[in-house]
Amino acid sequence: AQTVTQSQPEMSVQEAETVTLSCTYDTSESDYYLFWYKQPPSRQMILVIRQEAYKQQNATENRFSVNFQKAAKSFSLKISDSQLGDAAMYFCAYRMTNDYKLSFGAGTTVTVRA
Amino acid sequence: DAGVTQSPTHLIKTRGQHVTLRCSPISGHKSVSWYQQVLGQGPQFIFQYYEKEERGRGNFPDRFSARQFPNYSSELNVNALLLGDSALYLCASSLAGGRTEAFFGQGTRLTVV
Repeated sequence: AQTVTQSQPEMSVQEAETVTLSCTYDTSESDYYLFWYKQPPSRQMILVIRQEAYKQQNATENRFSVNFQKAAKSFSLKISDSQLGDAAMYFCAYRMTNDYKLSFGAGTTVTVRA
Repeated sequence: DAGVTQSPTHLIKTRGQHVTLRCSPISGHKSVSWYQQVLGQGPQFIFQYYEKEERGRGNFPDRFSARQFPNYSSELNVNALLLGDSALYLCASSLAGGRTEAFFGQGTRLTVV
């Protein structure tokens, strides 16, 4: 079974600063996807960024980037130039390539200070 | 285009009752998955349906069941409700059976009293 661990229950960041969220996972598969989802108080889960395990290059989406370390099974999310709208719960998730099921971590609550 | 829609948004049920939650996927999406998110935790996979067939089931008791209709909408049914069933129930749809992105609805908040 795959497990996803987020060891930081809460993170706080000053507006315009950078924050990094940690995620580790356990799998015996070599081909899979990793995701970061954002869940604001509106409850809707929104995809922030995704990474295919076979790609060595780290994914980037505007102010969001990841540090994917496949050997270490680590997948951290960096939010640059933090904005008030970034405040939310962030979930790391794993999915095998030919599978349907997403396995989520417990989440990290991000607070942005004005 | 409408996103994934779920109904109702909130409901309160009494222990022992039955509940039906509904989900309409994005137009053209044939796969629907259900997740349970207990307060303060990450979502847990319950079911996945593709082309009206169950393709996967998580570690949930038989009190939980689901189905998918010809228009690809889906229902999640929970019988004999327990207090521990109180959670946010999320529906996600995708184009294929899981190889493409999953788009989530806003969920149904179920409270069992």
